[in-house]
Amino acid sequence: EPEVTQTPSHQVTQMGQEVILRCVPISNHLYFYWYRQILGQKVEFLVSFYNNEISEKSEIFDDQFSVERPDGSNFTLKIRSTKLEDSAMYFCASSGPPRSKTQYFGPGTRLLVL
Amino acid sequence: GENVEQHPSTLSVQEGDSAVIKCTYSDSASNYFPWYKQELGKGPQLIIDIRSNVGEKKDQRIAVTLNKTAKHFSLHITETQPEDSAVYFCAASGSGGGADGLTFGKGTHLIIQP
Repeated sequence: EPEVTQTPSHQVTQMGQEVILRCVPISNHLYFYWYRQILGQKVEFLVSFYNNEISEKSEIFDDQFSVERPDGSNFTLKIRSTKLEDSAMYFCASSGPPRSKTQYFGPGTRLLVL
Repeated sequence: GENVEQHPSTLSVQEGDSAVIKCTYSDSASNYFPWYKQELGKGPQLIIDIRSNVGEKKDQRIAVTLNKTAKHFSLHITETQPEDSAVYFCAASGSGGGADGLTFGKGTHLIIQP
C-alpha cells in the first residue's frame, strides 16, 4: 500500500539554525500539506501546495517558513532561523484528485530546537 | 476561520462496550469531516470520513453521523477492543478546492479497559 514517507524521523538543531524537513508524498497525488503538532496538543495546519505553488496557508506559516517541490517526488518544508517554540512534530500529508479530499499523513519528523 | 471543538478529552470504556466521541464545527461552509486515529509516536491515520451530503456512514465497527443543521458530527465505535486504544481526532475542511487544510479538534484519548 502506498504511503507518505518523511525524513529525518528526528532532528535536533540549535536556535537560529535553518532546518529542512523532507517528504515523499504518495506518487500519484496532486496536493501536498504540512502540519505541525506541539507535544500534547492538536494537529495544526501550516500550508497546502498544488501545481507548484502555495494554495492555502495558516497564520502560523509566516516568512520563517517556505515550501518547495524541488523535483518530481520530494516536498520540503524549510524553517529559517529556528526558535524554541518551533519544537514540534511536523507531519506531511498528500491527497489525490480534487474530489477525493482524503489526506494521508506521513509518520512525522520530531524537531527539537535547543 | 473554522473552529472545531471535540469532547470528551479522555474516554475510558470497558472492552466490548461502545464509545462515542462528539465534535462541533463553526463554519457552515465546511463539507468534509474526517476522523483520524493516532497511536503513540505515529502520524494520524484516517479511519473514516463523511461529506456534508451524507448523514451517516458505517465501516464495520466504526460509524460517523453528521448533523449539518446543528453543525456537529460524532464517531461511534462498537464492540471496542484493546487495539482501539489511541487518540482520536476529528477534523473539518471547507468548500475550497482540493488543497483545503484540515482544522482539527483537540483529540480524545480513548482507553479500552480489559
